[in-house]
Amino acid sequence: AQKITQTQPGMFVQEKEAVTLDCTYDTSDQSYGLFWYKQPSSGEMIFLIYQGSYDEQNATEGRYSLNFQKARKSANLVISASQLGDSAMYFCAMNTNNAGNMLTFGGGTRLMVKP
Amino acid sequence: DTGVSQNPRHKITKRGQNVTFRCDPISEHNRLYWYRQTLGQGPEFLTYFQNEAQLEKSRLLSDRFSAERPKGSFSTLEIQRTEQGDSAMYLCASSSRSDTEAFFGQGTRLTVV
Repeated sequence: AQKITQTQPGMFVQEKEAVTLDCTYDTSDQSYGLFWYKQPSSGEMIFLIYQGSYDEQNATEGRYSLNFQKARKSANLVISASQLGDSAMYFCAMNTNNAGNMLTFGGGTRLMVKP
Repeated sequence: DTGVSQNPRHKITKRGQNVTFRCDPISEHNRLYWYRQTLGQGPEFLTYFQNEAQLEKSRLLSDRFSAERPKGSFSTLEIQRTEQGDSAMYLCASSSRSDTEAFFGQGTRLTVV
């Protein structure tokens, strides 16, 4: 069984600054994928970034990067140059053995961007 | 709008009643997923379809929960004999074979009174 832990229930960041959201995972599988999703107050989950367990380089997508440390089983999300629209819930998730989007999610972190 | 569509957006029902939710995925997507999200938690996977075949249903919460995708297009999730603990957001997502990520709908919020 896999497990995702997000230890920060809430985070504040000043607009235009960078912020790191923590995620640790647990799985006995060798092949897995790690995802980050954003959930604004409207409710839909918006995909941000993906990292495969065999990817040697950290994933980046625009202002989002994933700090993947395999030995520590961590997959932290870094948001650079925070914007007011980044205020939302952020969820880390994983799949194993190429199980598509049958995902296990963490409990989430609420990010609040201050002007 | 070409995204994932869920109806209704909100549903209030009395305990013991049956409810059915509908999900219309993105048209070319053959994979469809249902999740449940309770307040303050991350989504919890329920079931998965590839075309009309339900390939994973062991995570449905009880035998009161069932899902169908009869023609491989839209899907329905039914909860029979609802209980107050069923109050949650029910999310649907879809993807194609080549997609890494899933595309989520805005969810159906169920309140059981």
